[in-house]
Amino acid sequence: DGGITQSPKYLFRKEGQNVTLSCEQNLNHDAMYWYRQDPGQGLRLIYYSQIVNDFQKGDIAEGYSVSREKKESFPLTVTSAQKNPTAFYLCASSILRGKGDEKLFFGSGTQLSVL
Amino acid sequence: AQKITQTQPGMFVQEKEAVTLDCTYDTSDPSYGLFWYKQPSSGEMIFLIYQGSYDQQNATEGRYSLNFQKARKSANLVISASQLGDSAMYFCAMRYYNAGNNRKLIWGLGTSLAVNP
Repeated sequence: DGGITQSPKYLFRKEGQNVTLSCEQNLNHDAMYWYRQDPGQGLRLIYYSQIVNDFQKGDIAEGYSVSREKKESFPLTVTSAQKNPTAFYLCASSILRGKGDEKLFFGSGTQLSVL
Repeated sequence: AQKITQTQPGMFVQEKEAVTLDCTYDTSDPSYGLFWYKQPSSGEMIFLIYQGSYDQQNATEGRYSLNFQKARKSANLVISASQLGDSAMYFCAMRYYNAGNNRKLIWGLGTSLAVNP
């Protein structure tokens, strides 16, 4: 079955540590996205990528980094510069058709907590 | 400024009854789109339905329909014949184009729906 796989489901970060969240898709989608979800808040876009080896900052990119070396993979690194990383992180993908009605397909998320 | 408002933090509905989840939006962009997503307790977001600003008819997808009232800037989700599996968070989102003609998507805060047996 096609879909998006995020791992791990739960992740703990120590002070000063970088951690990487994995996101893999086998939907052959061009676009991939990382969102952050905090309790009581809507989703906020961290980074997105529309093509391999290219990505754009979203609304809250500070303290995060990404790479897109393969179409299927879009890992997110939460760096030590992100002072409040505790949140639920969702990876998504979509086709790029240009009509604006492209729906997002989401993974099951990673809950990141700080020790 | 673009905005999405979901005024109902929590809703209850009896199994097999219909329920309406409210969503109002604000944008000056004439071309926009409205999405509804469902988030069960497992965490993943699931696309439910889409309505474009130029669509003449209200969108429907199975038991989901979108009551689109453009003049009132509302895009309410109607779930007919509620099922226990409909218990989840529901998010309204709006796609618009910013001043740089970049496509943006903003999200509401969500409504928690509980279906009672």
